[in-house]
Amino acid sequence: GAGVSQSPSNKVTEKGKDVELRCDPISGHTALYWYRQRLGQGLEFLIYFQGNSAPDKSGLPSDRFSAERTGESVSTLTIQRTQQEDSAVYLCASSKAGQGNYGYTFGSGTRLTVV
Amino acid sequence: TQLLEQSPQFLSIQEGENLTVYCNSSSVFSSLQWYRQEPGEGPVLLVTVVTGGEVKKLKRLTFQFGDARKDSSLHITAAQPGDTGLYLCAGVNSGAGSYQLTFGKGTKLSVIP
Repeated sequence: GAGVSQSPSNKVTEKGKDVELRCDPISGHTALYWYRQRLGQGLEFLIYFQGNSAPDKSGLPSDRFSAERTGESVSTLTIQRTQQEDSAVYLCASSKAGQGNYGYTFGSGTRLTVV
Repeated sequence: TQLLEQSPQFLSIQEGENLTVYCNSSSVFSSLQWYRQEPGEGPVLLVTVVTGGEVKKLKRLTFQFGDARKDSSLHITAAQPGDTGLYLCAGVNSGAGSYQLTFGKGTKLSVIP
């Protein structure tokens, strides 16, 4: 596609339920990030995929969070047993191989509300 | 952990005024990127600066990368209401084919008509 696509755009879930967020990066982009943005805050790094290398999971806040990526395509971020503090906008960004130095393209995000 | 400090955190100005926002770190970055984010949208890349001392202009926006590649500034001339948004700087560390971003917390700009 022309841009980074994220789905759903909005998700309301009950505390304790699992949620899965999806990111479709731009075709051919090997680098993919997930970030979390709480209301009025900056971007908090979660996880980074680069081609076939092992992902950098150092930003995942707890073992309730996990992410997968199939090759160089779709990525899913799963949050198990959601808590109210998980409420935030989850942003995905992608970049061409070797082009991350020049900028990333972000999706519009998934706004997650845990009630 | 590398940190990027942005200042000011909030800025409210009248249309037509000039402003400068800053992005500072004690760490050296291979490049620095500026993004603008509007409500309900993801950040959109404005510019990347790569060389120490580099200056780039984008219409009324002027971006500068510090000589030591640790800091950057964004200057807006004659601000317009359309400039309203959250301005984010991101430092890039490159190595072994990967490019990792470290974001500042942003400067929230409001331009009042």
